[in-house]
Amino acid sequence: EDKVVQSPLSLVVHEGDTVTLNCSYEVTNFRSLLWYKQEKKAPTFLFMLTSSGIEKKSGRLSSILDKKELFSILNITATQTGDSAVYLCANAGNNRKLIWGLGTSLAVNP
Amino acid sequence: NAGVTQTPKFRILKIGQSMTLQCTQDMNHNYMYWYRQDPGMGLKLIYYSVGAGITDKGEVPNGYNVSRSTTEDFPLRLELAAPSQTSVYFCASSPGQGVNLHTIYFGEGSWLTVV
Repeated sequence: EDKVVQSPLSLVVHEGDTVTLNCSYEVTNFRSLLWYKQEKKAPTFLFMLTSSGIEKKSGRLSSILDKKELFSILNITATQTGDSAVYLCANAGNNRKLIWGLGTSLAVNP
Repeated sequence: NAGVTQTPKFRILKIGQSMTLQCTQDMNHNYMYWYRQDPGMGLKLIYYSVGAGITDKGEVPNGYNVSRSTTEDFPLRLELAAPSQTSVYFCASSPGQGVNLHTIYFGEGSWLTVV
């Protein structure tokens, strides 16, 4: 059965810390892995990854995929209180539907 | 910059009432989805559509119905509302083709309470 597992489920850090969020997956016929950020409303798109070893970067956020070990990480450097959110990972396989993880709840304290 | 628009944003229903959540997208996306998200829980797929005239069940379809008569619109119907349907509902769409075929764009959500 296709699944996506995110860890940790929650995390509390101080501003300026660097965090690494994990997403492991099992999916039939992998197509892409996506990261989303959800504050108190709808998820917003961060990254889509399709190839191993190629880092995607946007400001202080970056992500990389390992298709051999079946996982992805999302890094956030120099965290700010505005990074507080739930970070969702989703995987697209052979099916037309995305498989979603439960998310990692990140709280950044001043 | 409309993207995915869903209405209403908030609604309180009595048990047994029915209602329709409206969703429209202006990105000419083939795929559309309805999700529900309960507090502290992940996104659960209710129904999805890969094109006009085609719909299919997701993980939690019971108590809901959908239709897709046009590419733009994908309304979600709740029949005989129950307290278990109290949730936040997200409509979403994705291109369904090309490099970004699975990149999903969400509406802002509809908060529904059934009392």
